[in-house]
Amino acid sequence: QVRLVQWGAGLLKPSETLSLTCAVYGGSVRGHYWSWIRQDPGKGLEWIGEITLGGSLNYNPSLKSRLTISVDTSKSHFSLKVSSLTAADTAVYFCATKEPLGHYFDYWGQGTLVTVSS
Amino acid sequence: QSLLTQPPSVSGAPGQRVTISCSGSSSNIGADYDVHWYQHLPGTAPKLLIHGNNNRPSGVPDRFSASKSGTSASLAITGLQANDEADYYCQSYDSSLSSHVFGSGTQVTVL
Repeated sequence: QVRLVQWGAGLLKPSETLSLTCAVYGGSVRGHYWSWIRQDPGKGLEWIGEITLGGSLNYNPSLKSRLTISVDTSKSHFSLKVSSLTAADTAVYFCATKEPLGHYFDYWGQGTLVTVSS
Repeated sequence: QSLLTQPPSVSGAPGQRVTISCSGSSSNIGADYDVHWYQHLPGTAPKLLIHGNNNRPSGVPDRFSASKSGTSASLAITGLQANDEADYYCQSYDSSLSSHVFGSGTQVTVL
């Protein structure tokens, strides 16, 4: 059974950098894309970006300039950093695995509420 | 504003059938990209409900079905149950944005 457990700071100030990490338990998704998605209550779900264990990256073009996604293959962890935060980045952030052929998100983390406020 | 438009809410009595529409465009659903559906209870992890237009993962009851035609897709729930109350999202890929995109979400209420 695949399980994703995520953690990171939940309250940040404008201009700071968000940092979240997701641990993937269960080996059947090692060939998947490991992804980040956020949910702004006012705007629904937004795909942020993804990485493979081999380091192949895809970013949402609207966020790309502020994003860093990395993977630690030895720990089966992957991480998200979003720089230059504003209030518009306030959201619940989810990690998820994406099936590489069908391009759907089959397993999700529990979500982390990140609030950007001065 | 989401590229995939869903009705904000639908409701039905127990046992009834409800449908949720997902309207896209020629750069996403109309470009023949697959549509997938998720069920989300706030405060929990979203759950994959349907993938590849109408394929259910193991454990998802056959009360859930989906279809796609042209630039739109829809999810049907038959035999509505109280535990179907949740938010439902469609998802596809958009070639103009080079990005995976989600619908605006639909809240299902069981009366």
